[in-house]
Amino acid sequence: SQQGEEDPQALSIQEGENATMNCSYKTSINNLQWYRQNSGRGLVHLILIRSNEREKHSGRLRVTLDTSKKSSSLLITASRAADTASYFCATYTGSARQLTFGSGTQLTVLP
Amino acid sequence: DAGITQSPRHKVTETGTPVTLRCHQTENHRYMYWYRQDPGHGLRLIHYSYGVKDTDKGEVSDGYSVSRSKTEDFLLTLESATSSQTSVYFCAIRKDENTEAFFGQGTRLTVV
Repeated sequence: SQQGEEDPQALSIQEGENATMNCSYKTSINNLQWYRQNSGRGLVHLILIRSNEREKHSGRLRVTLDTSKKSSSLLITASRAADTASYFCATYTGSARQLTFGSGTQLTVLP
Repeated sequence: DAGITQSPRHKVTETGTPVTLRCHQTENHRYMYWYRQDPGHGLRLIHYSYGVKDTDKGEVSDGYSVSRSKTEDFLLTLESATSSQTSVYFCAIRKDENTEAFFGQGTRLTVV
């Protein structure tokens, strides 16, 4: 089974609204990462948060991490139509050599 | 963009034939990964490598083998392709445990 699971599976919002996606994982991690994938393309790294960090910002992105609940959230503020994509969380597990992904959240931003 | 190239980008093959996909990097990164992506399953790890000739199995390794004889190349082989291996395959590279991964553009494999 996969380490990370995103919630919701699909999200549709209007341009200008905020989008929040959640990720839950099962085992202890060194860090957690969020990636974006446009249709038909490879994944692009967005942000990495270490296990000793609780919150991290990058532009319009805000990531939180709660290791006690084994969960993370990705907030995209003031969304744009260009933010339409699939978003995945990924964790380093086990010996920290495996990079394991969740099933993703499909975000649609309507103009 | 990180120097990572997958080849071929598209391939159609027949059931029972062997197929090799190549991932080539110019970054000298230690870690390399092969994933498959299918609707409803996200990315699932097939095999990974943490150095030359050092590889290990991922979540869905049955029917796949890998080799890494040089830092820059990580080969994924389907010994005898089956229709269930029709998928999009992604390669990723990573410098170390605390850095992000960079992905190739993917290989769309169809087994008929």
